[in-house]
Amino acid sequence: DAGVTQSPTHLIKTRGQQVTLRCSPKSGHDTVSWYQQALGQGPQFIFQYYEEEERQRGNFPDRFSGHQFPNYSSELNVNALLLGDSALYLCASSFERFSTDTQYFGPGTRLTVL
Amino acid sequence: AQSVTQLGSHVSVSEGALVLLRCNYSSSVPPYLFWYVQYPNQGLQLLLKYTSAATLVKGINGFEAEFKKSETSFHLTKPSAHMSDAAEYFCAVSLIKAAGNKLTFGGGTRVLVKP
Repeated sequence: DAGVTQSPTHLIKTRGQQVTLRCSPKSGHDTVSWYQQALGQGPQFIFQYYEEEERQRGNFPDRFSGHQFPNYSSELNVNALLLGDSALYLCASSFERFSTDTQYFGPGTRLTVL
Repeated sequence: AQSVTQLGSHVSVSEGALVLLRCNYSSSVPPYLFWYVQYPNQGLQLLLKYTSAATLVKGINGFEAEFKKSETSFHLTKPSAHMSDAAEYFCAVSLIKAAGNKLTFGGGTRVLVKP
């Protein structure tokens, strides 16, 4: 049973560029959440997608956007990159019908903005 | 709104000694509580979770945590540390049956295990 997968593993961009990160949820999961983890900090919630719509959003600017596809996979897009966007971006998946709401995390994408 | 505070950003323990990681939460409604572990250059792995059933929760790798509502705490313990326990540990909270189940994390506690 494949877990949550993310691509790419590492990415280097320059300020002002745009980036797209990808996530495939664990088999059977229909909900995808994205988190940003800056160095030395706990993960911060960016947003969550369910039924191809953004259901919840954290305190992140509109430069951060996302998408969920019919197969439940998801993309995170960040426009006009800033140095402060350098972080580990984590994707987590869960199954909406389970009341215990456990989220399973992927290995992350390490984004470096120069 | 919910929040999590982890006391101590770094903890050093000797191999075989008790591991105690502290977590206090703030939530306006009954919460779900989680402990995750993160090894270097990896994602987060679930250790255990509290979902309003038994207050003493047993997880993987010999860890357990006790939910204490009166103290708003969910401390993580392991009786005997092993070298493989060296990692960063995160406590997290989400709201029961809220529309969407976002996790709010603490700042993490890095555990160093000395031989």
